[in-house]
Amino acid sequence: DQQVKQNSPSLSVQEGRISILNCDYTNSMFDYFLWYKKYPAEGPTFLISISSIKDKNEDGRFTVFLNKSAKHLSLHIVPSQPGDSAVYFCAASGNFGNEKLTFGTGTRLTIIP
Amino acid sequence: DAGITQSPRHKVTETGTPVTLRCHQTENHRYMYWYRQDPGHGLRLIHYSYGVKDTDKGEVSDGYSVSRSKTEDFLLTLESATSSQTSVYFCAISERTEAFFGQGTRLTVV
Repeated sequence: DQQVKQNSPSLSVQEGRISILNCDYTNSMFDYFLWYKKYPAEGPTFLISISSIKDKNEDGRFTVFLNKSAKHLSLHIVPSQPGDSAVYFCAASGNFGNEKLTFGTGTRLTIIP
Repeated sequence: DAGITQSPRHKVTETGTPVTLRCHQTENHRYMYWYRQDPGHGLRLIHYSYGVKDTDKGEVSDGYSVSRSKTEDFLLTLESATSSQTSVYFCAISERTEAFFGQGTRLTVV
């Protein structure tokens, strides 16, 4: 049973435009959410996180939005750059991040120059 | 980069042979994890450890065992490798919230 779902396997966005990556979760015990970015032949790297006590967290070009009632989060990248082309994984944890991470299946983002 | 080293980085082995992958950290983080990445499945947790000699199963633990005799080392063993265990394996460490990943081990079972 997939507790964290990323329903879009791939997404293509023009350079300079906004990229929106979506993630849904089913476990109501999750209260800490993270986004990871992965380039080929490298390990995933942490990008941004959000606790359930917030509904938005921003870091430079990256913003994560959390809708607890819908059990949905999204990652916005503005403006999108060619270096943003990668696979993005959504992850969730309980106990405010002190429990093991459960990952989604990933979305491959391609930025078109 | 967080101090995580996975070895080997690449391995080809035959069906039925035992294989051990090593994860070494220099960060003194309490938690260590083994994930596998497969197309269409994302990152799936195999086993994790929350301290020396304290380990637990993840969602895809069948056919795998782990050991952690020192804080810095977390070993993943495939007792008898099968073709379904061909994958890319990632070790991760964490202390509280964000996990940091190693570079991965590409294992091919032929």
